[in-house]
This record gives sequence, C-alpha cells and structure tokens, in this order.
Amino acid sequence: EAQVTQNPRYLITVTGKKLTVTCSQNMNHEYMSWYRQDPGLGLRQIYYSMNVEVTDKGDVPEGYKVSRKEKRNFPLILESPSPNQTSLYFCASASGTATTGELFFGEGSRLTVL
Amino acid sequence: QKEVEQNSGPLSVPEGAIASLNCTYSDRGSQSFFWYRQYSGKSPELIMSIYSNGDKEDGRFTAQLNKASQYVSLLIRDSQPSDSATYLCAVKIRRSGSGNTGKLIFGQGTTLQVKP
Repeated sequence: EAQVTQNPRYLITVTGKKLTVTCSQNMNHEYMSWYRQDPGLGLRQIYYSMNVEVTDKGDVPEGYKVSRKEKRNFPLILESPSPNQTSLYFCASASGTATTGELFFGEGSRLTVL
Repeated sequence: QKEVEQNSGPLSVPEGAIASLNCTYSDRGSQSFFWYRQYSGKSPELIMSIYSNGDKEDGRFTAQLNKASQYVSLLIRDSQPSDSATYLCAVKIRRSGSGNTGKLIFGQGTTLQVKP
C-alpha cells in the first residue's frame, strides 16, 4: 500500500529537549515536504526537498532542521523545541517537480511542547 | 491580500443539494490548482487538480477555473453527510528566484456541513 508514514503520531515534550519526527514514503517520490497546521493559520510549509541531498526552506523554517540522505526518508528535527512549535505536523510527498501540488500526506504528528 | 483566500464557513447544505466552494488567488501567473479534503483529525487528501480554464468533472465533483478572474471553485453535486469536511484550496505560485519549481500555497479551508 502506497503511504507516507510519520512517527511519532503524538508527542508531549519539554522546552529544549531535542526531538526528531521521522517521515518515510514507499512511493519512490522525489519531492518531500514538511508542513505545520495551526488554527487560523492553515497549512504552512517548513522545509521541502526536491531530491536526495537537496533541501530548501519553506515559509516557516526557524527552529527546524531537515535532512534527505535517502530518497524515502525526510526527518524533521527540532534541536531546541519551544512552546510556539506546538502544532500538528504533516509530512507529504509527490512525484517529480511538475506535480508537486499533487501531494500525498502522512497521518500527522501532534506535538505539544511544554 | 492573502495569496489564497477561502471563506472559512461553515457552509451548511442539506443532503442532496449542490455545495459550492470558492477560492481566489493573487498570483496571476499561477498555473496549477488543487482541492484537498480534510476530515476532522485526519490528513488532507487530494480530490481534484485543474490546470486549464473551464470545468473538470470527476464523479460528483466539478472543479472550475477562471484565470482571468483569478478564482477556482469546487462543486459537489448530490451532497452527502460523508462529504462533511474542510476543503482546502491550494495554488501553485511562482517561487521567486528559483526557476520553475513553484510553491504550493494553501488557503485556510472552508468547512462544509451536509445535514441529513
């Protein structure tokens, strides 16, 4: 089954404790992206990757890091989480650059930073 | 002006009626337009994409694009309670200084309620 898998799905952590949210897709997609979704603000892009070893900032990259060492994986790293990073996070993937609007989303990771 | 605007709703329609969801965008050069459906507590799911002016039909769903007026709409015929969800409009706009990669911007979504 074609899917984007995120882990953990739910996480409560404390300010400053480094965490990683993993994302893996099994569709051999070149394009992967991270979004955060907040009430009243909608979906906002954090980082994206056009292919292996190619990453770039989205609209709200501050406080986040990513890496793309393998095509299937695109982890999101919060080096020193803060309460304003409490949000619902989605990883998404797409095939090729021409259709990067046709996204497949993971199930989401709800993060709470205390 | 927001890059992609939608009325947040809720839009309430009776079962069997036509639901009309609208979206406007600011970048006149946009070429790709998408509708996603998001059930409460779930992830967005692509339901329609449209790239040229006019209508595109898929089952009970019709996407309409008018580039001159910079709007895109989604019609849902014979609305069912299972259509109750938030519908996100997404527009691929030109990303400054990065060639042809584009950037997908989401509207905040319109909540649709279909009442039995």
